[in-house]
Amino acid sequence: AQKITQTQPGMFVQEKEAVTLDCTYDTSDPSYGLFWYKQPSSGEMIFLIYQGSYDQQNATEGRYSLNFQKARKSANLVISASQLGDSAMYFCAMREKGKGGKLIFGQGTELSVKP
Amino acid sequence: NAGVTQTPKFRVLKTGQSMTLLCAQDMNHEYMYWYRQDPGMGLRLIHYSVGEGTTAKGEVPDGYNVSRLKKQNFLLGLESAAPSQTSVYFCASSYRTDEQYFGPGTRLTVT
Repeated sequence: AQKITQTQPGMFVQEKEAVTLDCTYDTSDPSYGLFWYKQPSSGEMIFLIYQGSYDQQNATEGRYSLNFQKARKSANLVISASQLGDSAMYFCAMREKGKGGKLIFGQGTELSVKP
Repeated sequence: NAGVTQTPKFRVLKTGQSMTLLCAQDMNHEYMYWYRQDPGMGLRLIHYSVGEGTTAKGEVPDGYNVSRLKKQNFLLGLESAAPSQTSVYFCASSYRTDEQYFGPGTRLTVT
């Protein structure tokens, strides 16, 4: 069965430094997509970045990049030059092909950026 | 362009009462979803719809019903609320299997 695991319940990072949030997944489907969402304390879910299983290059969106290691089934989020506004919960999610776009979410990592 | 909106934002119910949560999107998305989020957990899918007039069960469908009579609306119903349904409910929509856009959430408490 498909599963997403985020093993870091909480992380701290100093402002302006880079941080990596871990995500591993389990699926038997060769076609899938991986997403990262940010949930600030206000509660909304904000889409950050997407990686397709057949994409040759790691996805990047501004200060966000996805370190995709297919053989290890990992899809870590890297945030460069952390800002105070990056403090939030971060969720990794997976979508399998043919499942109506359904997302399976991990339990999340709470990131705190220190000034 | 309001994106995805949810009504109401907050609600308190007594055990056994019923209610309907409304989700509306103005992005002409085919796919819509209802999730719940409990403390310390990620989102879990309740029901979803891949088009007007179609619905399907997600991971935790028990105690909920849904309807998609219009493309832009997706309703989530609780026929007989239970304390276990205390949660934050999120609606989302997507253009097929692209990234999902989420509403602001509805905080529901069942006493």
